[in-house]
Amino acid sequence: AQSVTQLDSQVPVFEEAPVELRCNYSSSVSVYLFWYVQYPNQGLQLLLKYLSGSTLVKGINGFEAEFNKSQTSFHLRKPSVHISDTAEYFCAVSEDTGGFKTIFGAGTRLFVKA
Amino acid sequence: EAGVTQSPTHLIKTRGQQVTLRCSPISGHTSVYWYQQALGLGLQFLLWYDEGEERNRGNFPPRFSGRQFPNYSSELNVNALELEDSALYLCASSLALGTLAGTDTQYFGPGTRLTVL
Repeated sequence: AQSVTQLDSQVPVFEEAPVELRCNYSSSVSVYLFWYVQYPNQGLQLLLKYLSGSTLVKGINGFEAEFNKSQTSFHLRKPSVHISDTAEYFCAVSEDTGGFKTIFGAGTRLFVKA
Repeated sequence: EAGVTQSPTHLIKTRGQQVTLRCSPISGHTSVYWYQQALGLGLQFLLWYDEGEERNRGNFPPRFSGRQFPNYSSELNVNALELEDSALYLCASSLALGTLAGTDTQYFGPGTRLTVL
Protein backbone atom coordinates (compact mmCIF):
# COMPACT_ATOMS: atom_id res chain seq x y z
CA ALA A 1 0.00 0.00 0.00
CA GLN A 2 1.25 3.44 -0.76
CA SER A 3 -0.56 4.62 2.35
CA VAL A 4 -3.04 3.70 5.04
CA THR A 5 -5.11 6.54 6.43
CA GLN A 6 -7.06 6.35 9.63
CA LEU A 7 -9.26 9.37 9.40
CA ASP A 8 -9.76 9.96 13.12
CA SER A 9 -6.89 10.17 15.58
CA GLN A 10 -9.26 10.08 18.56
CA VAL A 11 -12.84 8.90 18.94
CA PRO A 12 -14.62 9.56 22.24
CA VAL A 13 -17.87 7.66 22.69
CA PHE A 14 -20.25 6.82 25.52
CA GLU A 15 -20.59 3.29 26.79
CA GLU A 16 -23.16 1.17 24.91
CA ALA A 17 -23.12 3.55 21.92
CA PRO A 18 -22.15 2.31 18.45
CA VAL A 19 -18.77 3.22 17.00
CA GLU A 20 -17.11 3.26 13.59
CA LEU A 21 -13.38 3.67 13.13
CA ARG A 22 -12.49 4.61 9.58
CA CYS A 23 -9.65 3.29 7.47
CA ASN A 24 -8.79 4.03 3.85
CA TYR A 25 -5.84 2.75 1.87
CA SER A 26 -4.24 3.27 -1.48
CA SER A 27 -2.62 0.44 -3.42
CA SER A 28 -2.17 -0.64 -7.00
CA VAL A 29 -2.11 -4.35 -6.18
CA SER A 30 -4.26 -6.83 -4.31
CA VAL A 31 -4.07 -6.41 -0.57
CA TYR A 32 -4.93 -8.16 2.63
CA LEU A 33 -6.49 -6.04 5.38
CA PHE A 34 -6.20 -6.23 9.14
CA TRP A 35 -7.35 -4.46 12.28
CA TYR A 36 -5.20 -4.73 15.40
CA VAL A 37 -5.89 -3.42 18.88
CA GLN A 38 -3.35 -2.20 21.42
CA TYR A 39 -4.53 -2.02 25.01
CA PRO A 40 -2.58 0.27 27.36
CA ASN A 41 0.94 -0.98 28.04
CA GLN A 42 0.47 -4.06 25.88
CA GLY A 43 1.52 -5.23 22.44
CA LEU A 44 -0.85 -5.36 19.50
CA GLN A 45 -3.30 -8.21 18.98
CA LEU A 46 -5.38 -9.10 15.96
CA LEU A 47 -9.06 -8.14 15.95
CA LEU A 48 -9.92 -9.39 12.48
CA LYS A 49 -8.61 -9.73 8.96
CA TYR A 50 -9.91 -9.79 5.40
CA LEU A 51 -8.18 -12.12 2.98
CA SER A 52 -10.88 -12.92 0.41
CA GLY A 53 -14.52 -13.90 0.11
CA SER A 54 -17.27 -12.17 2.03
CA THR A 55 -16.56 -8.49 2.42
CA LEU A 56 -18.05 -8.43 5.94
CA VAL A 57 -15.60 -9.83 8.43
CA LYS A 58 -16.42 -10.61 12.03
CA GLY A 59 -13.72 -10.51 14.66
CA ILE A 60 -13.23 -10.85 18.38
CA ASN A 61 -14.97 -8.83 21.08
CA GLY A 62 -18.00 -8.09 18.88
CA PHE A 63 -16.11 -6.07 16.28
CA GLU A 64 -16.71 -6.36 12.54
CA ALA A 65 -15.34 -4.65 9.46
CA GLU A 66 -16.46 -4.26 5.88
CA PHE A 67 -14.12 -4.24 2.91
CA ASN A 68 -15.21 -1.85 0.18
CA LYS A 69 -12.96 -2.26 -2.83
CA SER A 70 -14.40 0.61 -4.84
CA GLN A 71 -13.89 3.03 -1.98
CA THR A 72 -10.66 1.34 -0.82
CA SER A 73 -11.96 1.34 2.71
CA PHE A 74 -12.01 -1.11 5.59
CA HIS A 75 -13.99 0.53 8.38
CA LEU A 76 -14.26 -1.11 11.80
CA ARG A 77 -17.57 -1.14 13.65
CA LYS A 78 -19.07 -2.25 16.93
CA PRO A 79 -22.78 -1.82 17.70
CA SER A 80 -22.32 -1.28 21.45
CA VAL A 81 -18.99 -0.45 23.08
CA HIS A 82 -17.79 -1.17 26.61
CA ILE A 83 -15.37 0.68 28.85
CA SER A 84 -12.93 -2.18 28.25
CA ASP A 85 -12.81 -1.33 24.54
CA THR A 86 -10.77 1.77 25.35
CA ALA A 87 -7.57 1.21 23.39
CA GLU A 88 -5.68 2.21 20.27
CA TYR A 89 -6.84 0.59 17.05
CA PHE A 90 -4.61 0.13 14.03
CA CYS A 91 -5.66 -0.61 10.49
CA ALA A 92 -3.03 -2.48 8.48
CA VAL A 93 -2.60 -3.48 4.86
CA SER A 94 -0.34 -6.21 3.56
CA GLU A 95 0.68 -6.18 -0.08
CA ASP A 96 3.15 -8.09 -2.20
CA THR A 97 5.91 -5.74 -3.30
CA GLY A 98 8.26 -8.57 -4.17
CA GLY A 99 8.23 -9.54 -0.52
CA PHE A 100 5.29 -8.82 1.70
CA LYS A 101 5.25 -5.60 3.65
CA THR A 102 2.61 -4.63 6.17
CA ILE A 103 1.78 -0.95 6.36
CA PHE A 104 0.02 0.33 9.46
CA GLY A 105 -2.11 3.39 9.84
CA ALA A 106 -1.29 5.97 12.48
CA GLY A 107 -3.89 4.55 14.84
CA THR A 108 -7.19 5.71 16.30
CA ARG A 109 -7.53 6.08 20.03
CA LEU A 110 -10.99 4.96 21.13
CA PHE A 111 -12.00 6.38 24.46
CA VAL A 112 -15.18 4.94 25.95
CA LYS A 113 -16.80 7.07 28.63
CA ALA A 114 -19.26 5.91 31.29
CA GLU B 1 2.35 -21.41 25.09
CA ALA B 2 4.73 -18.49 25.51
CA GLY B 3 4.11 -15.43 23.39
CA VAL B 4 6.62 -13.21 21.67
CA THR B 5 9.19 -11.96 24.14
CA GLN B 6 11.44 -8.93 23.84
CA SER B 7 14.36 -7.69 25.85
CA PRO B 8 15.15 -5.37 27.40
CA THR B 9 11.85 -3.69 28.28
CA HIS B 10 13.39 -0.25 28.65
CA LEU B 11 16.66 1.25 27.49
CA ILE B 12 18.23 4.68 27.82
CA LYS B 13 21.10 5.63 25.53
CA THR B 14 22.84 8.81 24.42
CA ARG B 15 23.28 10.17 20.94
CA GLY B 16 25.89 8.36 18.89
CA GLN B 17 25.73 5.14 20.87
CA GLN B 18 24.71 1.76 19.52
CA VAL B 19 21.93 -0.47 20.76
CA THR B 20 20.84 -4.10 20.29
CA LEU B 21 17.28 -5.21 20.88
CA ARG B 22 16.29 -8.87 21.08
CA CYS B 23 13.18 -10.81 20.15
CA SER B 24 12.13 -14.43 20.60
CA PRO B 25 9.21 -15.52 18.42
CA ILE B 26 6.42 -17.90 19.31
CA SER B 27 7.57 -21.48 19.05
CA GLY B 28 7.05 -22.73 15.50
CA HIS B 29 7.00 -19.28 13.93
CA THR B 30 9.72 -18.67 11.38
CA SER B 31 9.07 -15.04 10.52
CA VAL B 32 10.03 -12.06 12.64
CA TYR B 33 9.04 -8.47 11.95
CA TRP B 34 10.36 -5.28 13.52
CA TYR B 35 8.41 -2.04 13.80
CA GLN B 36 9.11 1.37 15.22
CA GLN B 37 6.26 3.05 17.07
CA ALA B 38 7.21 6.66 17.60
CA LEU B 39 4.84 8.99 19.39
CA GLY B 40 2.08 10.13 17.07
CA LEU B 41 3.43 8.24 14.06
CA GLY B 42 1.83 4.84 14.38
CA LEU B 43 3.81 1.74 13.49
CA GLN B 44 6.52 2.05 10.90
CA PHE B 45 7.70 -1.18 9.28
CA LEU B 46 11.43 -1.74 9.76
CA LEU B 47 12.43 -5.27 8.78
CA TRP B 48 11.08 -8.72 8.03
CA TYR B 49 13.16 -11.86 8.50
CA ASP B 50 12.14 -15.36 7.53
CA GLU B 51 14.22 -18.52 7.67
CA GLY B 52 17.28 -16.50 8.55
CA GLU B 53 17.08 -14.12 5.61
CA GLU B 54 15.98 -10.51 5.28
CA ARG B 55 12.82 -10.59 3.16
CA ASN B 56 11.85 -6.95 3.14
CA ARG B 57 12.91 -3.63 4.56
CA GLY B 58 11.13 -0.40 5.34
CA ASN B 59 12.29 3.14 4.58
CA PHE B 60 14.92 3.39 7.28
CA PRO B 61 18.62 4.27 6.95
CA PRO B 62 21.27 1.52 6.88
CA ARG B 63 22.21 2.18 10.50
CA PHE B 64 19.11 0.12 11.29
CA SER B 65 20.01 -3.51 10.74
CA GLY B 66 19.31 -6.90 12.15
CA ARG B 67 19.60 -10.59 11.80
CA GLN B 68 17.74 -13.79 12.49
CA PHE B 69 19.39 -16.75 14.15
CA PRO B 70 18.92 -20.48 13.39
CA ASN B 71 16.47 -20.73 16.31
CA TYR B 72 14.44 -17.92 14.63
CA SER B 73 15.14 -15.38 17.34
CA SER B 74 16.18 -11.99 16.07
CA GLU B 75 18.20 -8.93 16.91
CA LEU B 76 17.67 -5.35 15.83
CA ASN B 77 20.77 -3.17 15.85
CA VAL B 78 20.72 0.59 15.66
CA ASN B 79 24.02 2.41 15.21
CA ALA B 80 24.83 6.07 15.72
CA LEU B 81 21.67 6.73 17.69
CA GLU B 82 19.81 9.96 17.05
CA LEU B 83 17.25 11.68 19.25
CA GLU B 84 14.45 10.80 16.84
CA ASP B 85 15.18 7.10 17.32
CA SER B 86 13.40 7.35 20.66
CA ALA B 87 10.39 5.08 20.28
CA LEU B 88 8.77 1.81 21.21
CA TYR B 89 10.27 -0.98 19.11
CA LEU B 90 7.86 -3.82 18.53
CA CYS B 91 8.69 -7.29 17.37
CA ALA B 92 6.11 -9.62 15.88
CA SER B 93 6.22 -13.19 14.66
CA SER B 94 4.12 -15.27 12.28
CA LEU B 95 4.08 -18.63 10.56
CA ALA B 96 4.85 -17.07 7.16
CA LEU B 97 3.47 -19.89 5.06
CA GLY B 98 5.48 -19.24 1.91
CA THR B 99 3.43 -17.45 -0.71
CA LEU B 100 0.63 -16.96 1.82
CA ALA B 101 2.96 -14.89 3.97
CA GLY B 102 0.98 -11.73 3.52
CA THR B 103 -2.12 -13.34 4.98
CA ASP B 104 -0.45 -14.25 8.26
CA THR B 105 -1.59 -12.90 11.57
CA GLN B 106 1.28 -11.23 13.32
CA TYR B 107 1.68 -11.81 17.05
CA PHE B 108 3.30 -8.91 18.82
CA GLY B 109 5.59 -8.71 21.79
CA PRO B 110 5.26 -6.01 24.47
CA GLY B 111 8.02 -3.93 22.94
CA THR B 112 11.26 -2.29 24.00
CA ARG B 113 11.06 1.37 24.87
CA LEU B 114 14.21 3.15 23.74
CA THR B 115 14.98 6.64 24.96
CA VAL B 116 17.84 8.53 23.35
CA LEU B 117 19.14 11.53 25.28
